[in-house]
Amino acid sequence: EVQLVESGGGLVQPGGSLRLSCAASGFTFSSYWMSWVRQAPGKGLEWVANIKQDGSEKYYVDSVKGRFTISRDNAKNSLYLQMNSLRAEDTAVYYCARWKGRGCFDYWGQGTLVTVSS
Amino acid sequence: DIQMTQSPSSVSASVGDRVTITCRASQGISSWLAWYQQKPGKAPKLLIYAASSLQSGVPSRFSGSGSGTDFTLTISSLQPEDFATYYCQQANSFPPIFGPGTKVDIK
Repeated sequence: EVQLVESGGGLVQPGGSLRLSCAASGFTFSSYWMSWVRQAPGKGLEWVANIKQDGSEKYYVDSVKGRFTISRDNAKNSLYLQMNSLRAEDTAVYYCARWKGRGCFDYWGQGTLVTVSS
Repeated sequence: DIQMTQSPSSVSASVGDRVTITCRASQGISSWLAWYQQKPGKAPKLLIYAASSLQSGVPSRFSGSGSGTDFTLTISSLQPEDFATYYCQQANSFPPIFGPGTKVDIK
C-alpha cells in the first residue's frame, strides 16, 4: 500500500524558515517524480514544486522561486521542502504527492499545516 | 500559464441524482486533464486521469469526457459518500494548474 506521511509543519514568524519532510513507503520511491501541493485555509489547491527521480530536475511555482527548495533522499525514501523567507501567504496545508506519468498526482499524504504569523 | 475554470461553483443534489461538473481550459490541453475529489479535512483523491481514464479503485459511477478545452465529470447516481468538493487539473504543461473547485452538497 502506497503511503506518504508528511511532518515538520507548525507556526513560524514571517521571514522564518521551516523544513517539511515526507516519508514514502509501499512503492519504489526512486522511480517516481514527486511533488508538493498546498492549500490555503478555505481555498483551492496550488502546485508548489516537482522533483525528478534522481533530483536532477526541479520545478517551482513562481511565487516560491528563490525561497523554497525541493529535495529528496532516495536511500531514505524521503522528500523534503526547505522553506525560507516565509510570508503570511504561504500559510497552508502542504501535501506531499506522487507525480503520475500522466501529469497528475495519484497518491497524496495527509498534509501538514504551516502557519506563518507573528 | 493555462487557466482553469469550473462550473457550477456549487451544486445541491440528492442521493441517486446524476451530477455533471464542467471544466474549461484557457487553451487546448488535448486530453491531459485530471479530476480529484476532496472531503473536508482530507487529502484530495485522484478519480480520473487523461480526461476519461478511471483511476484504480474508483467506482464506475464516476466518468470523465472531453478534449481540447472543454471537459466534464459525471457522477451517474450520487451516493452519500460522494458529497465533496471536486477539482479539475490540467496535466498538459507546467505548471499544473487546478480549477477552483465545485462543491457538491446535499439538497
